[in-house]
Amino acid sequence: QKEVEQNSGPLSVPEGAIASLNCTYSDRGSQSFFWYRQYSGKSPELIMFIYSNGDKEDGRFTAQLNKASQYVSLLIRDSQPSDSATYLCAVNFYNQGGKLIFGQGTELSVKP
Amino acid sequence: EPEVTQTPSHQVTQMGQEVILRCVPISNHLYFYWYRQILGQKVEFLVSFYNNEISEKSEIFDDQFSVERPDGSNFTLKIRSTKLEDSAMYFCASAFAGGRRQHSTDTQYFGPGTRLTVL
Repeated sequence: QKEVEQNSGPLSVPEGAIASLNCTYSDRGSQSFFWYRQYSGKSPELIMFIYSNGDKEDGRFTAQLNKASQYVSLLIRDSQPSDSATYLCAVNFYNQGGKLIFGQGTELSVKP
Repeated sequence: EPEVTQTPSHQVTQMGQEVILRCVPISNHLYFYWYRQILGQKVEFLVSFYNNEISEKSEIFDDQFSVERPDGSNFTLKIRSTKLEDSAMYFCASAFAGGRRQHSTDTQYFGPGTRLTVL
């Protein structure tokens, strides 16, 4: 059973701080890793993907992947109240039709 | 910017009725997906579709469910006889590639969803 685990939160950070979101996955066959943001009642919106070990930066967002530890994280720098949402970690498995397995999501609240 | 569209945004139906949820994927994408999210729960994979056939399906996707690409643009999910527990948000997603390689084109883009309420 392939699992993706996230702390459900809520994670509360002050405006301007760094928010750190974590995700672990159970299957070493995992290929690609995605972070989506989901506002209440809305669909998942892609933030970024990563598939190589190390860091990947895109604006205020940095994804970090450590395949040996089966761990992927998302850092949000200079957090804004508009970043308040649920952040979904998703894992794509090789040769399984591209299906994504999602974690339960971490709720982030950025306080002004 | 191209986007996935879904209709209707909200569907209310009686238990036992058939429903068809419609999706228009991004035009040059080749892989199509349906996911669902029961209120307060995680997003769950239902089915993936490529080259006019199902490439992967989950345990949830039983004989009551079917998918079809009736023309070059639409992708539909049919639930033959709805149950109360089918009440959820249903998301369609599309991607240019489908998990065969580590590539940015594996990225799936989601539509806005259809909220299905079964009474």
